[in-house]
Amino acid sequence: EDQVTQSPEALRLQEGESSSLNCSYTVSGLRGLFWYRQDPGKGPEFLFTLYSAGEEKEKERLKATLTKKESFLHITAPKPEDSATYLCAAPPQGGSEKLVFGKGTKLTVNP
Amino acid sequence: KAGVTQTPRYLIKTRGQQVTLSCSPISGHRSVSWYQQTPGQGLQFLFEYFSETQRNKGNFPGRFSGRQFSNSRSEMNVSTLELGDSALYLCASSLDRGLGSPLHFGNGTRLTVT
Repeated sequence: EDQVTQSPEALRLQEGESSSLNCSYTVSGLRGLFWYRQDPGKGPEFLFTLYSAGEEKEKERLKATLTKKESFLHITAPKPEDSATYLCAAPPQGGSEKLVFGKGTKLTVNP
Repeated sequence: KAGVTQTPRYLIKTRGQQVTLSCSPISGHRSVSWYQQTPGQGLQFLFEYFSETQRNKGNFPGRFSGRQFSNSRSEMNVSTLELGDSALYLCASSLDRGLGSPLHFGNGTRLTVT
């Protein structure tokens, strides 16, 4: 079964303390890896799509990277407003365009 | 540009009742997907509609159904509600069905079944 696993489940950082979130997947023949951010009471907000190993994308303090087995979301010098749940997702094998989501990493950045 | 609009935001229903949730996609978006989000299971795919046709269906019982109208607006229906149906139901639209068109989510309908 295609699976997307995120770690850690929760992460507390001090403002300015950089760290990384992990997303590992078992989908073979990966056709894309997606990162979303979800704030409490809101729907997920699209951040990045990565298509091939070695690809990197950046947005403000966030940088997403992709290897053959996992993706990392690096957060550099985070601010309290970066606090959110970060979700990754991938399409399953078989050509379906639906996304399989991980359960997310809840990030809290303390001032 | 207006985002994905879901109505209502909150619903409280009793076991055995049925419920209809509505989703208006971003203007020009033709694909609409529905997801159920719970603390234990996370986001789980319900179904996807494109051009008024269901293109994909997740592993949910037949009590869950949906449809899409010619203006791309979509509804989902849950019949014979069970306590376990309590969840946040999220609708997402995309320009088309390809992976190059990211999903844009609404803020969801919070359904509570008592």
